[in-house]
Amino acid sequence: ETGVTQTPRHLVMGMTNKKSLKCEQHLGHNAMYWYKQSAKKPLELMFVYNFKEQTENNSVPSRFSPECPNSSHLFLHLHTLQPEDSALYLCASSQEYRGGNTIYFGEGSWLTVV
Amino acid sequence: AQKVTQAQTEISVVEKEDVTLDCVYETRDTTYYLFWYKQPPSGELVFLIRRNSFDEQNEISGRYSWNFQKSTSSFNFTITASQVVDSAVYFCALSDSNAGGTSYGKLTFGQGTILTVHP
Repeated sequence: ETGVTQTPRHLVMGMTNKKSLKCEQHLGHNAMYWYKQSAKKPLELMFVYNFKEQTENNSVPSRFSPECPNSSHLFLHLHTLQPEDSALYLCASSQEYRGGNTIYFGEGSWLTVV
Repeated sequence: AQKVTQAQTEISVVEKEDVTLDCVYETRDTTYYLFWYKQPPSGELVFLIRRNSFDEQNEISGRYSWNFQKSTSSFNFTITASQVVDSAVYFCALSDSNAGGTSYGKLTFGQGTILTVHP
């Protein structure tokens, strides 16, 4: 059983929809991450929150909006997405945002934009 | 800048064969950490191992073993007596601990190696 849970596991949305991905970690960690994994592309870091503060925004388009209400929860709000945004979105956590900390991943949310 | 190269895009073996997945990394830092993750078809990235740059001892965990060689900047992963359940994408990753570096805290992944184990 993973210590990082993501919902929903699968999501199909139209380009005009607004939806959110939810992530919860049960590991007592202080850093949380969103990664994007597209076909034929390496894993891309999107956002990092360390102690609830956003410390990284990897030039992500504004149609992706993260929210971190506390150290255990992380959301990714989606609006007016494009078909090329279809991908696996992985949430992860680590003790803190620091080199060498092991990052633990959730099962991912498979997103299809139609 | 950090870089991780997994030259093998896909490997196909028959059950019970041994298989080695290669990983070569680049970093200017003297203190860094190496990781391996497994991604089965379900999508979750499963953490397998973490090594720091000062510990060059090879590690064995059941059928899994890792060979860390600083001289060649490699951190290879061997599965002994492979099984169908080992079929997955395997990622090698690198992070440094240099607080002053631009890559501080970031995990750099290789492209991944798709391993298929046939019955």
